[in-house]
Amino acid sequence: AQKVTQAQTEISVVEKEDVTLDCVYETRDTTYYLFWYKQPPSGELVFLIRRNSFDEQNEISGRYSWNFQKSTSSFNFTITASQVVDSAVYFCALSEANNFNKFYFGSGTKLNVKP
Amino acid sequence: NAGVTQTPKFQVLKTGQSMTLQCAQDMNHEYMSWYRQDPGMGLRLIHYSVGAGITDQGEVPNGYNVSRSTTEDFPLRLLSAAPSQTSVYFCASSYGGEGYGYTFGSGTRLTVV
Repeated sequence: AQKVTQAQTEISVVEKEDVTLDCVYETRDTTYYLFWYKQPPSGELVFLIRRNSFDEQNEISGRYSWNFQKSTSSFNFTITASQVVDSAVYFCALSEANNFNKFYFGSGTKLNVKP
Repeated sequence: NAGVTQTPKFQVLKTGQSMTLQCAQDMNHEYMSWYRQDPGMGLRLIHYSVGAGITDQGEVPNGYNVSRSTTEDFPLRLLSAAPSQTSVYFCASSYGGEGYGYTFGSGTRLTVV
């Protein structure tokens, strides 16, 4: 069965701290995709990154980085030198090769960055 | 380029009423989906469509109907609203195929009293 677990319900940090958001997934497929979305207080969902199951290279985009480890079924997201504008709910999601249309979302992690 | 447009943004319904949530996209995406977001549960798939005339059920389809007569539009109908359908509803679209992410609309906050 497909499942995405984001065990951290809420995290609070002070600006400029580094923070890692955890994502653990379950799937029987060997081909799948993992995503991170950001939902700021305004409510819209913003796409951050897509990763396929055959590409385990870590990715860095500015202050954001992602660590994909198939051995532990994890796709963690790190924000370096956090800023107040990073305050949002972050969702991890999974889609599988047998049906790319179906996204399975985690329950989200609310990140509070305090000045 | 408007992306994915949802209307209305807010709606209050009485139990038993019916209504249609509208969703339109102007990106010529084949794939469209409806999700509901409830506190502590993330987003759950209600219905999805892989093209005009083709729809299928997601994880939580009961109480909802969809149709896809055009590529652009994918309305979600609540047949007889219940308080359990109080939620935020998101429509999303995608080119489809391997690994493409979805573009989401801004959401409709629905309250059923």
